[in-house]
Amino acid sequence: DVKVTQSSRYLVKRTGEKVFLECVQDMDHENMFWYRQDPGLGLRLIYFSYDVKMKEKGDIPEGYSVSREKKERFSLILESASTNQTSMYLCASSFVSLGETQYFGPGTRLLVL
Amino acid sequence: AQTVTQSQPEMSVQEAETVTLSCTYDTSESNYYLFWYKQPPSRQMILVIRQEAYKQQNATENRFSVNFQKAAKSFSLKISDSQLGDTAMYFCAFMKHQGGSEKLVFGKGTKLTVNP
Repeated sequence: DVKVTQSSRYLVKRTGEKVFLECVQDMDHENMFWYRQDPGLGLRLIYFSYDVKMKEKGDIPEGYSVSREKKERFSLILESASTNQTSMYLCASSFVSLGETQYFGPGTRLLVL
Repeated sequence: AQTVTQSQPEMSVQEAETVTLSCTYDTSESNYYLFWYKQPPSRQMILVIRQEAYKQQNATENRFSVNFQKAAKSFSLKISDSQLGDTAMYFCAFMKHQGGSEKLVFGKGTKLTVNP
């Protein structure tokens, strides 16, 4: 079975802190994604990566950056956390091909105070 | 730009009955994929069913089936013999190719409650 894991289920941070969210997949997937999920808004893509050290902006990249130094690991970075970044963050991975299923991690619920 | 619309924010159904969740999408592409994902309360998002646009036959997976109307750009999900474990958020998604990869565009979701 595909396994996508995220470093934390719940996280509480202060405004202005630097926040790292880690995602690891064990299926040798080329693609990895970071989404933000908010009630009434569905899932919105923040960033994605289709190869090591490659990244592309999604629909809402402002205030975020990413890092992919190894194929299995994709990190989301909040350089200076703000209260409007309080949300659920979902990581996903897939093979690179149209129609491939994306497999999701359990999510990290981030609260910025 | 592609958009996905789920017009029913919340729905409920009695156990063992059938329910249909609606989804419409907008695209100018001819080859694409459509998905339904399920997110149970406090649990991981998982794939329910997938449909290739160029296949006329509707996809089915056990109690889950779709009604894919390409000309109408409609992709509804039918759940037969509803079970308590079907209680979840359901997201319709459209897959497109962008940049170096394939992206999913999600609808806002439908919260389904199955009542005993």
